[in-house]
Amino acid sequence: ETGVTQTPRHLVMGMTNKKSLKCEQHLGHNAMYWYKQSAKKPLELMFVYNFKEQTENNSVPSRFSPECPNSSHLFLHLHTLQPEDSALYLCASSQQTGEGYTFGSGTRLTVV
Amino acid sequence: QKEVEQDPGPLSVPEGAIVSLNCTYSNSAFQYFMWYRQYSRKGPELLMYTYSSGNKEDGRFTAQVDKSSKYISLFIRDSQPSDSATYLCAMLASGSRLTFGEGTQLTVNP
Repeated sequence: ETGVTQTPRHLVMGMTNKKSLKCEQHLGHNAMYWYKQSAKKPLELMFVYNFKEQTENNSVPSRFSPECPNSSHLFLHLHTLQPEDSALYLCASSQQTGEGYTFGSGTRLTVV
Repeated sequence: QKEVEQDPGPLSVPEGAIVSLNCTYSNSAFQYFMWYRQYSRKGPELLMYTYSSGNKEDGRFTAQVDKSSKYISLFIRDSQPSDSATYLCAMLASGSRLTFGEGTQLTVNP
């Protein structure tokens, strides 16, 4: 285990469903990130949180809603997704922004 | 133009071969250079971390940075089937966030 835990590992949801992805880090890091990884594309940064505050929203559609209640937990709330949102969603953390990241194993999301 | 260019492969080599993986970049502010390894159905894991130009060796892995050419490489000696994975280069400027390459898919055949 990397110290960054993501649940669930797999998720299948319909376009009208509401679901949430969870990330928890046990490393004492202050920055947390959500990434989207699609086949044959580079990792796409979605959101950055530093000391619980959102510092970056990379033009992500509003159907993705992040929440960071404390420095150890990060959620991604999903609603009315599209099939093209199917991807591997990765959470990462770092001691500070500007340092190397530790990734979780990801949530494989399929939107049907 | 992408900030970081990486040949996506796929790359297939026989066991024991020397593997060379490469990335080029355009942002001269990048100071920290990393290589991540990602196995199937897993998240990326940090493999090598280097600062500025030069070489860094860790077992069978050597990371090389040439800032004058904006070019970084990862060499794998005596490659093993367990090295089969996707390798992502990543780099950042001080205080900024990581910028990743597309990743190169490597298969080492027994």
